[in-house]
Amino acid sequence: DVKVTQSSRYLVKRTGEKVFLECVQDMDHENMFWYRQDPGLGLRLIYFSYDVKMKEKGDIPEGYSVSREKKERFSLILESASTNQTSMYLCASSFRVGPYEQYFGPGTRLTVT
Amino acid sequence: GQSLEQPSEVTAVEGAIVQINCTYQTSGFYGLSWYQQHDGGAPTFLSYNALDGLEETGRFSSFLSRSDSYGYLLLQELQMKDSASYFCAVRDDQAGTALIFGKGTTLSVSS
Repeated sequence: DVKVTQSSRYLVKRTGEKVFLECVQDMDHENMFWYRQDPGLGLRLIYFSYDVKMKEKGDIPEGYSVSREKKERFSLILESASTNQTSMYLCASSFRVGPYEQYFGPGTRLTVT
Repeated sequence: GQSLEQPSEVTAVEGAIVQINCTYQTSGFYGLSWYQQHDGGAPTFLSYNALDGLEETGRFSSFLSRSDSYGYLLLQELQMKDSASYFCAVRDDQAGTALIFGKGTTLSVSS
């Protein structure tokens, strides 16, 4: 079975802190994605990567950056956390070709106080 | 840009049939997907339609009409465990290999 893991299930940080969210997948997927999910807004794409060291902005990249140094790992970085970044963060991965079925991690509930 | 519209809530009783509609607007089109998400859980893939017509997988079916930019998810013989949020998602020219998700439809199944 495909497994996507995220470093933390719950995280509480203070405003202004630098926050790292880690995601690891074990299926040798080329594509990896970061979404945030907020009530009534669905899943919104922050960044995605289709190869090591490659990244593309999604719909809401402001305030975030990403890093993909290894194929299996995709990190989301909040440079200076703000209260409006309190959200559920979901990582996903998929193969580059085909129906692009995405496999999601369990999510990280981030609270910024 | 791209947009997807789906109802925010649907309610039904056990054993019934429910249809969740999704209309989309994209620049280019590469298929319509459906995902299920139980409360507190991660989204899981249900189906994918690249061509017009109906795809059936057990109690769930998904339909696509590319000329109408419209699709639906059909859930039959509803069970309590089907209570969840359902998201339609598309790929388009702007998103590349990423998916753009609708805001989700919350399905509540009662006994």
